[in-house]
Amino acid sequence: GAVVSQHPSRVICKSGTSVKIECRSLDFQATTMFWYRQFPKKSLMLMATSNEGSKATYEQGVEKDKFLINHASLTLSTLTVTSAHPEDSSFYICSARVGGTGRGQPQHFGDGTRLSIL
Amino acid sequence: GQQVMQIPQYQHVQEGEDFTTYCNSSTTLSNIQWYKQRPGGHPVFLIQLVKSGEVKKQKRLTFQFGEAKKNSSLHITATQTTDVGTYFCAVPQGAQKLVFGQGTRLTINP
Repeated sequence: GAVVSQHPSRVICKSGTSVKIECRSLDFQATTMFWYRQFPKKSLMLMATSNEGSKATYEQGVEKDKFLINHASLTLSTLTVTSAHPEDSSFYICSARVGGTGRGQPQHFGDGTRLSIL
Repeated sequence: GQQVMQIPQYQHVQEGEDFTTYCNSSTTLSNIQWYKQRPGGHPVFLIQLVKSGEVKKQKRLTFQFGEAKKNSSLHITATQTTDVGTYFCAVPQGAQKLVFGQGTRLTINP
């Protein structure tokens, strides 16, 4: 149980393109999902908390107009990198918690999306 | 916000040797979680520690939570090549978020 599916796994596109990444909880409902960015050999940096039916909460320094998050259902959150540039190239990972409440719930991660902007 | 320091950043061992990674916080933690990320993969939840002085074991992995709930360790006995990856501790920040340590990257010489 607790499977999170993320798609696509890899994207290579030209500068200026907008890229949408989907994150789905396959066997549970997730009122909250999280989007992380990970640079090579570095830790996970939380970008935003995605809340079903309401606006995402962005971490300091993350441009909300650049990284659009939509959480329209209890099983799907999307991250759109708008007008992507080479500096946006990175590994983006989503996660979700079963239960959604309490500090003790582990996070279940998608496989990640490796984004390369040429 | 909440921060946690994790050391060492890298560890290279011979297969069969032991391995330990440590996480330290300046504040008392309600709990701490440990994750493993294989090369090219995504983080996978290993365990959560909640109680002061708690020790949990998963086969060759031993997890400890300090008495003051400010530090934690993950110890692997007799490493195997399947143990290769980056081990992260993670601590809660607020009601929902997790803050991840810097990670310890374990490589093993077979």
